[in-house]
Amino acid sequence: GENVEQHPSTLSVQEGDSAVIKCTYSDSASNYFPWYKQELGKGPQLIIDIRSNVGEKKDQRIAVTLNKTAKHFSLHITETQPEDSAVYFCAARLNFGNEKLTFGTGTRLTIIP
Amino acid sequence: KAGVTQTPRYLIKTRGQQVTLSCSPISGHRSVSWYQQTPGQGLQFLFEYFSETQRNKGNFPGRFSGRQFSNSRSEMNVSTLELGDSALYLCASSLLGSPGELFFGEGSRLTVL
Repeated sequence: GENVEQHPSTLSVQEGDSAVIKCTYSDSASNYFPWYKQELGKGPQLIIDIRSNVGEKKDQRIAVTLNKTAKHFSLHITETQPEDSAVYFCAARLNFGNEKLTFGTGTRLTIIP
Repeated sequence: KAGVTQTPRYLIKTRGQQVTLSCSPISGHRSVSWYQQTPGQGLQFLFEYFSETQRNKGNFPGRFSGRQFSNSRSEMNVSTLELGDSALYLCASSLLGSPGELFFGEGSRLTVL
């Protein structure tokens, strides 16, 4: 089955700096890669996603890049703010319409004021 | 629009008991998935239901079961509880045919003593 590895497990950055979280996946048939943010006591919330036919996607301060050849994808957060502090999960899904997601192990991001 | 609602939010059980968790998806969403979240194993897929049919199942023992009703509401049941079943159980719904976003509830936190 699919396996997703995520690094780093913890990340601390100064407010205003950029943060990058990286994931690799094992199954080349995966075609959908969402990123979720989970705040304390809450469920994961989708923040951005990318499909295998796209190399990069941006939404304000958040961007995701995908390298299908290397089977890795990354989350980039620019101009970080205190409210960006949370646990971030990457995930991969094999087939469109199959709602099973395989998650990475999470990155705890701390923004230092 | 109301989000995914899970009940109960917190519960404590003892080993050997059984538990039923409930999930009401976002109105109009027909797919419901369940995930188990633990510090050691992260987010792991349990099963997915669509139109009252289980479409996918993760690698969990038969003690874990679920069902979906005609109104798309779903329940999951864990029988003969073990200490290792202590976790946050997350339900997610999606509108098939859309880009495939999963919307998570806030979870049911189960503690097994």
